[in-house]
Amino acid sequence: QVQLQESGPGLVKASETLSLTCSVSGGSISGPDWWTWVRQSPGKGLEWIGEISHSGTANYNPSLKSRVVISVDTSRNQVSLVVTSVTAADMALYYCARDRKVYVDGESWYFDLWGRGTLVTVS
Amino acid sequence: QIGVTQEPSSSVSPGGTVTLTCGFYSGPLSDKSFPSWYQLCPGQTPRPLIYGASVRSSGVPGRFSGATLGDKVALTITGAQPEDECDYYCVLYTNGGDWVFGGGTRLTVL
Repeated sequence: QVQLQESGPGLVKASETLSLTCSVSGGSISGPDWWTWVRQSPGKGLEWIGEISHSGTANYNPSLKSRVVISVDTSRNQVSLVVTSVTAADMALYYCARDRKVYVDGESWYFDLWGRGTLVTVS
Repeated sequence: QIGVTQEPSSSVSPGGTVTLTCGFYSGPLSDKSFPSWYQLCPGQTPRPLIYGASVRSSGVPGRFSGATLGDKVALTITGAQPEDECDYYCVLYTNGGDWVFGGGTRLTVL
């Protein structure tokens, strides 16, 4: 059974760079699925950060695009997230999720599998 | 960025029925909006409920159903249980090639 596990430093200083990793186990990161990062700041809702395919094609939230890079390492079965110049607004619980293609009267997509999330605090 | 609307809050009596809605601020959904719903309960991981507007995800109880209602999609809980008291999020895919979550609906079961 495929599982996702986020990891990274729990504490980052303001103005520095945040780096997180999503490790995929029980299955290959290669294939038709995409891999997504989502976050939830304290007291707020879910926010989509961006997604990447196994071949490295990425799409980003326009509001974060200038500070975010998502990459994939198929040899390690991992997806990474980098956020530069962090502020208090980046303090959140960060999730990775699998973006799966399904067929419902045609092609559709949804986030069918989620990691448990990793909490990032900005000091 | 395009916004997605959801009711900020809703309430339902145990055993009752409640419908939550989701749509774009700026206009109707398209065939490529790929609407899905997620349940987020305190201390838990987001749980997929509905995809493709109306298909229940694996393991989701039958009391959860989804449908398209005009320019919006809807999530209905029929026979609400106390454990359904959580936050519910929809997410839509935009013409610009990105995903946008709604602000979430906090459901109270009382």
